[in-house]
Amino acid sequence: EIVMTQSPATLSVSPGERATLSCRASQSVSSNLAWYQQKPGQAPRLLIYGASTRATGIPARFSGSGSGTEFTLTISSLQSEDFAVYYCQQYNNWPPELTFGGGTKVEIK
Amino acid sequence: QVQLQESGPGLVKPSQTLSLTCTVSGGSISSGGYYWSWIRQHPGKGLEWIGYIYYSGSTYYNPSLKSRVTISVDTSKNQFSLKLSSVTAADTAVYYCARHLPGFDPWGQGTLVTVSS
Repeated sequence: EIVMTQSPATLSVSPGERATLSCRASQSVSSNLAWYQQKPGQAPRLLIYGASTRATGIPARFSGSGSGTEFTLTISSLQSEDFAVYYCQQYNNWPPELTFGGGTKVEIK
Repeated sequence: QVQLQESGPGLVKPSQTLSLTCTVSGGSISSGGYYWSWIRQHPGKGLEWIGYIYYSGSTYYNPSLKSRVTISVDTSKNQFSLKLSSVTAADTAVYYCARHLPGFDPWGQGTLVTVSS
């Protein structure tokens, strides 16, 4: 099983600042990585797939990068609606297994 | 656009079988290339992939749940279903259905299932 590790667990950021979230895979997943945003009481929302492709309707302030085992989600200028929990998910060599990271909570500083 | 909606009992007794259905609207579940999935989230915790099914009936399950999970599809009703047997309190969670593109999108709103006597 590929284990996905996200860091930090919690990130305190002021509105307007940049946020950088990390996701590490226990083995290479190539570019087969997605990022999600989840707000309290809501289902997750797909932000990024293919490590760097924004999903439909996702603002340009969200960007993804990386390949292999190291990935980054960057929010260039945090808006009030961006404070949420973010998950990464690998889908390498699917369809077999899929795994999620443990999440990073982005909170207001 | 495609929308998904979970339905099923919100309370299940220990040792019984949890059964949920996901109804797909705005598109056909038989459209090729998509994997129709179940994911759960324990209260206050992260996301756990349960498994998925292709419209042809091919299934793939999380190894940690494989012995207890069955996912099936009814293309005539545009639905797919989850059965999780021998449930315990550890199966209490919000259960989501979602389409995998790759990347899960869209998601259903989720349904809380509590396992309790």
